[in-house]
Amino acid sequence: GENVEQHPSTLSVQEGDSAVIKCTYSDSASNYFPWYKQELGKGPQLIIDIRSNVGEKKDQRIAVTLNKTAKHFSLHITETQPEDSAVYFCAASMGQFYFGTGTSLTVIP
Amino acid sequence: DAEITQSPRHKITETGRQVTLACHQTWNHNNMFWYRQDLGHGLRLIHYSYGVHDTNKGEVSDGYSVSRSNTEDLPLTLESAASSQTSVYFCASSGGTSSYEQYFGPGTRLTVT
Repeated sequence: GENVEQHPSTLSVQEGDSAVIKCTYSDSASNYFPWYKQELGKGPQLIIDIRSNVGEKKDQRIAVTLNKTAKHFSLHITETQPEDSAVYFCAASMGQFYFGTGTSLTVIP
Repeated sequence: DAEITQSPRHKITETGRQVTLACHQTWNHNNMFWYRQDLGHGLRLIHYSYGVHDTNKGEVSDGYSVSRSNTEDLPLTLESAASSQTSVYFCASSGGTSSYEQYFGPGTRLTVT
């Protein structure tokens, strides 16, 4: 099956700086790549996604890039704010979702 | 507003007992999923359903079962709870205008003693 690796596992940034989280996947058949934000005690919330026919997608301060050849995709958060502090998960899908192990992001005021 | 709910939110049970976790969605989504979340493993798929009377095994299905008798509900049953099944369980659904997107419930924290 698919194998998704996510790095780093923890990330601390100063407020206003950018944060980048990277994921790699193994199955070239995967064609959908969502990112989820999970706050303490809550379920994962979809924040942005990208499909394999697109290289980049932006939504205000967040963006996702996809390199199909290298089988990796990244989440970029600009102008980070304390409320961005959470655990972020990537996933790769060709039907079923395969999740990365998560990145705990801390934004230091 | 349409939503997905899980109950109970917290459950403590003993080894060997049967436990059922409820999941209910009001989006009229065809697809429903159960995941477990453990430190160091992210979210792993237990079972899923693409419609009424359809059920399929996921990556970690041993010791779990589901049934889908209507569109709104997909209960997850642990036939004989084991300590290894202590985890946080999330239900998700998809199947709106974009069937790829999955929306998650708030989770159930299960402890097996």
